[in-house]
Amino acid sequence: SQQGEEDPQALSIQEGENATMNCSYKTSINNLQWYRQNSGRGLVHLILIRSNEREKHSGRLRVTLDTSKKSSSLLITASRAADTASYFCAETSGSRLTFGEGTQLTVNP
Amino acid sequence: DARVTQTPRDKVTEMGQEVTMRCQPILGHNTVFWYRQTMMQGLELLAYFRNRAPLDDSGMPKDRFSAEMPDATLATLKIQPSEPRDSAVYFCASGLVSGGTGANVLTFGAGSRLTVL
Repeated sequence: SQQGEEDPQALSIQEGENATMNCSYKTSINNLQWYRQNSGRGLVHLILIRSNEREKHSGRLRVTLDTSKKSSSLLITASRAADTASYFCAETSGSRLTFGEGTQLTVNP
Repeated sequence: DARVTQTPRDKVTEMGQEVTMRCQPILGHNTVFWYRQTMMQGLELLAYFRNRAPLDDSGMPKDRFSAEMPDATLATLKIQPSEPRDSAVYFCASGLVSGGTGANVLTFGAGSRLTVL
């Protein structure tokens, strides 16, 4: 069964808008990762934030981590139609990765 | 680009048949994971290996599933006998962990879509 939850389950926005996805996790983590999955494909790593970090940026991606609340958020700025995909957080404990339920993001042109 | 290769891409079989899925991890990676993805359950961790040793296979139904790494270039997931509820996309992923708390960033294969009739 899945550990952790993501919300929203689905998000539909217009191109150019920002998209924020949230993730809650349950274990003590070494780091937390975000992955993207296009329809019919495998997951692709986007960004990793370590447990001692609070915020991290990569291009149009911004990730925050609040270990006291066991939560993380992924912000995609200036979204594009090509950002349409499912986004998953993965809590990492040791070398084990456990994925959340994912958020389906649709960016309308 | 280095990639994780999974075969078969698609498999349709009848209930009771044996199914074997294969995965070639990225050369040099020391962890291999098997996940199952369905609409209802999302991504479930079935088993994972580090340096070819199984670390955790508690996510697998032991009576019918088995996972092995006969060598560093091959991981297998076998279902015998298969059941309709096993229908899902099975993903293999590999990663490199350099230390006890080292980051393990996974590279996923394209998946094997299994349909059990």
